[in-house]
Amino acid sequence: GAGVSQSPRYKVAKRGQDVALRCDPISGHVSLFWYQQALGQGPEFLTYFQNEAQLDKSGLPSDRFFAERPEGSVSTLKIQRTQQEDSAVYLCASSLVGRDSEQYFGPGTRLTVT
Amino acid sequence: RKEVEQDPGPFNVPEGATVAFNCTYSNSASQSFFWYRQDCRKEPKLLMSVYSSGNEDGRFTAQLNRASQYISLLIRDSKLSDSATYLCVVNLSTGKLIFGQGTTLQVKP
Repeated sequence: GAGVSQSPRYKVAKRGQDVALRCDPISGHVSLFWYQQALGQGPEFLTYFQNEAQLDKSGLPSDRFFAERPEGSVSTLKIQRTQQEDSAVYLCASSLVGRDSEQYFGPGTRLTVT
Repeated sequence: RKEVEQDPGPFNVPEGATVAFNCTYSNSASQSFFWYRQDCRKEPKLLMSVYSSGNEDGRFTAQLNRASQYISLLIRDSKLSDSATYLCVVNLSTGKLIFGQGTTLQVKP
């Protein structure tokens, strides 16, 4: 069956540009998570949705980062005025309802800010 | 101090060796625990959950010590295909996962 998909897989942005990263979770998965993974590090939590409600955005590094999931399925992570330190892999994960449900990760979007 | 700490390695071992990874976590309110595996330039995938009673899945054994806030993973009879980064992961009560830096394993022929 289809897993979590993300697009684009690779994105190169010039410093100061805005970018939008898309996540298509597994059908029927209620929970959706975004993580940021810098080179050589483990993923770091950014934000969490249950259906369309953003229940936790404590990991967003600045107000340049914004995430939405308006219809409770597809989610978009937007980064405004990108900076070099935003260069990382952005991973999306989805899970069935329940905090202990296994999270399934998408392949990630590798963002490079030049 | 990081919430989940692991030795990044790399661990270079010959095929057939037994190798052990450890990690410690700082938040005593942590609810559940996992080991994830991540291959180079791929997404993390769940390897196994970790329980206080210890659990085994084939050549892999995981153990949790809540009193010491310590998690371990033992791999017996290492295969070349075990080469990857192993991420120690803690789930807080909110559901968000806290990852360690990862430990890199390289199994040599």
